[in-house]
Amino acid sequence: DAKTTQPNSMESNEEEPVHLPCNHSTISGTDYIHWYRQLPSQGPEYVIHGLTSNVNNRMASLAIAEDRKSSTLILHRATLRDAAVYYCILNPSLLNFGNEKLTFGTGTRLTIIP
Amino acid sequence: GAVVSQHPSWVICKSGTSVKIECRSLDFQATTMFWYRQFPKQSLMLMATSNEGSKATYEQGVEKDKFLINHASLTLSTLTVTSAHPEDSSFYICSARAPGMGTRIYEQYFGPGTRLTVT
Repeated sequence: DAKTTQPNSMESNEEEPVHLPCNHSTISGTDYIHWYRQLPSQGPEYVIHGLTSNVNNRMASLAIAEDRKSSTLILHRATLRDAAVYYCILNPSLLNFGNEKLTFGTGTRLTIIP
Repeated sequence: GAVVSQHPSWVICKSGTSVKIECRSLDFQATTMFWYRQFPKQSLMLMATSNEGSKATYEQGVEKDKFLINHASLTLSTLTVTSAHPEDSSFYICSARAPGMGTRIYEQYFGPGTRLTVT
């Protein structure tokens, strides 16, 4: 399985943008880049995913490097409720069939400073 | 997004007893469900993958006779921790997978987790 590398922790001030990096140098051509986050004492929550182009949704933006070896999750205006562990995961497409499974790394623990 | 529920949200049991945790997909049919375990300050570790109507596939190092998984329907999977011991105390999280709408990837939805404490 292709692996991802993320910083263990990051801090950001409330109401400022946050850029969470992820390296995935061994990504394959069919791997989608997924981001999940886990708030304290809860199950993971889907944030965003992308393949090659940058993506935006109501929660965040995902910027994907041209060579796809890295990506950055962008929270445009962090709030205290965004404090969580953020996981960057590579996810193969449905067309690969089989029992593809999400493998979680250690993630980045984001602390928001009021 | 789709909703996955777990019951109970927390449970305390005595050493040697068995505990059953339910995972339900509330508004979609899940052909595949996954069970994860998470110890404090650690990441999620996949325990097993279950497909409706067939035996679960366990990850290496997970005792299938201790962690019984039943995926009896497209909306329900259960995890039974048999003869629980204090070292089984953990946060157990299920997730359910469904084909994405109009995309080539599946989407995976997670339950809120069940905190098991074995005394």
